[in-house]
Amino acid sequence: GENVEQHPSTLSVQEGDSAVIKCTYSDSASNYFPWYKQELGKGPQLIIDIRSNVGEKKDQRIAVTLNKTAKHFSLHITETQPEDSAVYFCAAGGTSYDKVIFGPGTSLSVIP
Amino acid sequence: KAGVTQTPRYLIKTRGQQVTLSCSPISGHRSVSWYQQTPGQGLQFLFEYFSETQRNKGNFPGRFSGRQFSNSRSEMNVSTLELGDSALYLCASSFGGESNQPQHFGDGTRLSIL
Repeated sequence: GENVEQHPSTLSVQEGDSAVIKCTYSDSASNYFPWYKQELGKGPQLIIDIRSNVGEKKDQRIAVTLNKTAKHFSLHITETQPEDSAVYFCAAGGTSYDKVIFGPGTSLSVIP
Repeated sequence: KAGVTQTPRYLIKTRGQQVTLSCSPISGHRSVSWYQQTPGQGLQFLFEYFSETQRNKGNFPGRFSGRQFSNSRSEMNVSTLELGDSALYLCASSFGGESNQPQHFGDGTRLSIL
């Protein structure tokens, strides 16, 4: 069945360093890959997404890369700040309307 | 522009009861999806509605059902509650006209079963 794996499950970085979260997906028909940030007591917030017709997308300190051949995609956060601390989820969709499959999440801690 | 609104924020029920959760999507959004979030299983897709029709369904038992109204607001119902139904239930909305439109989540309803 459809599956999305995500690594690492926890990540601690010093403020100002970069953080990288990696995901793999199983369904080769997937063509939409959103990333969400979830803070305590809140719902997931869409931070960036990428579609299969592009290999990389940037938005200020956040970038996503996609390797469709390998079925890998990654989130890169540069110059991390304490407010980046949260749980990050990758997801894959594209096989059926708005249905997306989520990865298990990465808990990111940015140490001041 | 108001975000996705879910009510109530918290609910406590006992086994065997039923519950109805409500979701008001962002204005103009016609697709509403529901997810269950638990520490052990993560975020799992329940179902998606578009123009009052269920377009997608996840792998949950028939005790979980939903509906969508003509104003795009959606409700989710869980009957014969079990302890394992304790979770955060999240609703997300999108324009929905094409596949894989960006989904925007509400803050969820925390359901606790005693």
